[in-house]
Amino acid sequence: RKEVEQDPGPFNVPEGATVAFNCTYSNSASQSFFWYRQDCRKEPKLLMSVYSSGNEDGRFTAQLNRASQYISLLIRDSKLSDSATYLCVVNIKNRDDKIIFGKGTRLHILP
Amino acid sequence: GAVVSQHPSWVICKSGTSVKIECRSLDFQATTMFWYRQFPKQSLMLMATSNEGSKATYEQGVEKDKFLINHASLTLSTLTVTSAHPEDSSFYICSARVGINQPQHFGDGTRLSIL
Repeated sequence: RKEVEQDPGPFNVPEGATVAFNCTYSNSASQSFFWYRQDCRKEPKLLMSVYSSGNEDGRFTAQLNRASQYISLLIRDSKLSDSATYLCVVNIKNRDDKIIFGKGTRLHILP
Repeated sequence: GAVVSQHPSWVICKSGTSVKIECRSLDFQATTMFWYRQFPKQSLMLMATSNEGSKATYEQGVEKDKFLINHASLTLSTLTVTSAHPEDSSFYICSARVGINQPQHFGDGTRLSIL
């Protein structure tokens, strides 16, 4: 099983719709979690950190489910500018500090 | 806050040239910096992790003599691609973070093209 798994997509979603991504992780020593977005030919940009209590930033909501070992990202009222690849990032802390990137989920918002 | 500057943005050079890429954290001190490589339509690949004042830790399959990393201060890390060849052409991205469990902040990336 891969350490961090994401559905690669693409998700083709009409503008204004709500879209949700999940990311599963296999290592129970995972300690911190993040969502990044990456536009084509650009560097990843931090979207939000993910906390056990869940967190919201405008149209974006992130949730962490430690029992089931997954994190989620919900985008409400999607905009054309939300089209990007969304990367799930997990920081594992055991003997070594290890950061694992998911391969990303591609999102296309359709006009 | 949390700005990471990477320079240069683009490099085009002849095969056999060594290329140096700089990564600077502009408004914070980075205990750890990371170097990634990304080929078109592929995911980020971690090359090495660099802690200030110590030797970098390279991922499996990454030649440390080929990709020299120096992290001399808490705000600067450099990656030197030695004797670059066309297969080294890629998008190289650095990132920096303040501490463990903190998010990484990425530089703009460097597009390296070796002719």
